[in-house]
Amino acid sequence: NAGVMQNPRHLVRRRGQEARLRCSPMKGHSHVYWYRQLPEEGLKFMVYLQKENIIDESGMPKERFSAEFPKEGPSILRIQQVVRGDSAAYFCASSPSAENSPLHFGNGTRLTVT
Amino acid sequence: AQTVTQSQPEMSVQEAETVTLSCTYDTSESDYYLFWYKQPPSRQMILVIRQEAYKQQNATENRFSVNFQKAAKSFSLKISDSQLGDAAMYFCAYRSAFGSNYQLIWGAGTKLIIKP
Repeated sequence: NAGVMQNPRHLVRRRGQEARLRCSPMKGHSHVYWYRQLPEEGLKFMVYLQKENIIDESGMPKERFSAEFPKEGPSILRIQQVVRGDSAAYFCASSPSAENSPLHFGNGTRLTVT
Repeated sequence: AQTVTQSQPEMSVQEAETVTLSCTYDTSESDYYLFWYKQPPSRQMILVIRQEAYKQQNATENRFSVNFQKAAKSFSLKISDSQLGDAAMYFCAYRSAFGSNYQLIWGAGTKLIIKP
């Protein structure tokens, strides 16, 4: 059973470009969560999605950031007009349900904005 | 608001020795969960151990055990018989019993170096 798959593993973008990060949850998991990790910090929650629905986006910046989890295909975290401060590792996790299910994490995408 | 503090940015230990990583937290809640996660160079976050605040007994998973001091709000991780594969960043995390598993509050991490 494949784990949570994130791609790309590394992404380099120039300031002003768009970044698209993909996450395929574990088989059978319909709940997806995105986190951001700055250097020497723990994870910061961004957004929680179920299929076709955003459940909690309280940690996501209101501008330039968006996320989706379509009926078919991976979850996408999209950052428009990237700035240097967006450079970070972005992690996706999935679970079969929202309550006490343990989270399964992917290996993250490291975004570097030049 | 709850906070989690890991005061040791880096620790090193000789292979086969025992090491303890510190974690303190601040909360006004009485019911919550505490976790230790391991992040090896592959970057994947791996759950090491979990403690429920209402349980007196310290959680143990093979060579990993915790020292949970609720009154002191301390949750340290002890790794016995350290192995090279234990080298990683270790994160302590807190979750309210009234929240969901994704609503974790994370410490800044401790980098563990294993000396052969």
